[in-house]
Amino acid sequence: GAVVSQHPSRVICKSGTSVKIECRSLDFQATTMFWYRQFPKQSLMLMATSNEGSKATYEQGVEKDKFLINHASLTLSTLTVTSAHPEDSSFYICSAKPSGGSSYNEQFFGPGTRLTVL
Amino acid sequence: QKEVEQDPGPLSVPEGAIVSLNCTYSNSAFQYFMWYRQYSRKGPELLMYTYSSGNKEDGRFTAQVDKSSKYISLFIRDSQPSDSATYLCAMKLSNDYKLSFGAGTTVTVRA
Repeated sequence: GAVVSQHPSRVICKSGTSVKIECRSLDFQATTMFWYRQFPKQSLMLMATSNEGSKATYEQGVEKDKFLINHASLTLSTLTVTSAHPEDSSFYICSAKPSGGSSYNEQFFGPGTRLTVL
Repeated sequence: QKEVEQDPGPLSVPEGAIVSLNCTYSNSAFQYFMWYRQYSRKGPELLMYTYSSGNKEDGRFTAQVDKSSKYISLFIRDSQPSDSATYLCAMKLSNDYKLSFGAGTTVTVRA
């Protein structure tokens, strides 16, 4: 099956610092990747859609200058949380949609990154 | 009103019982309906998906979609302790990549 990895799996940082999270599709190419945020006992909320070679599309209410997304290759997207604050602490999950694919357009999810901002 | 409603539970059942999960939604244009399983501190994994209305069975899992009622269900037969997880419903339009998730139902199967 298609595998998506995320790095790091956990990160603790001080308030005001920036944190970069990587999302990689290991055995397929992904023109489109997605970044989600999940609070405890809550649903996944889509933050942005990342398209290889172009600017990300952010969902309403998500600050694009705070959550920088770069999708420089068909297997790697990065999310950088800039000037992190405690309210940014959350579980960040990426997913990747294989290039081409069926009409169903299945997404494969990474294992998530737990961010704690002190 | 949330686009997708799902009772977060928690739901606790004895081993061997049937687990019944469901979601309701408001957007009648949704065409694809998915169920994901998420273990603690892990990403979701796809269990089943259904296109439009109807039933779909895969081993111990059965998914049902009733578009007239905007209601979807997942049944797990002969539940096992390894089925203990959070189950999320998700749905999407046919021409869009975006998934709309329910809040997830936490299920515990007691040995």
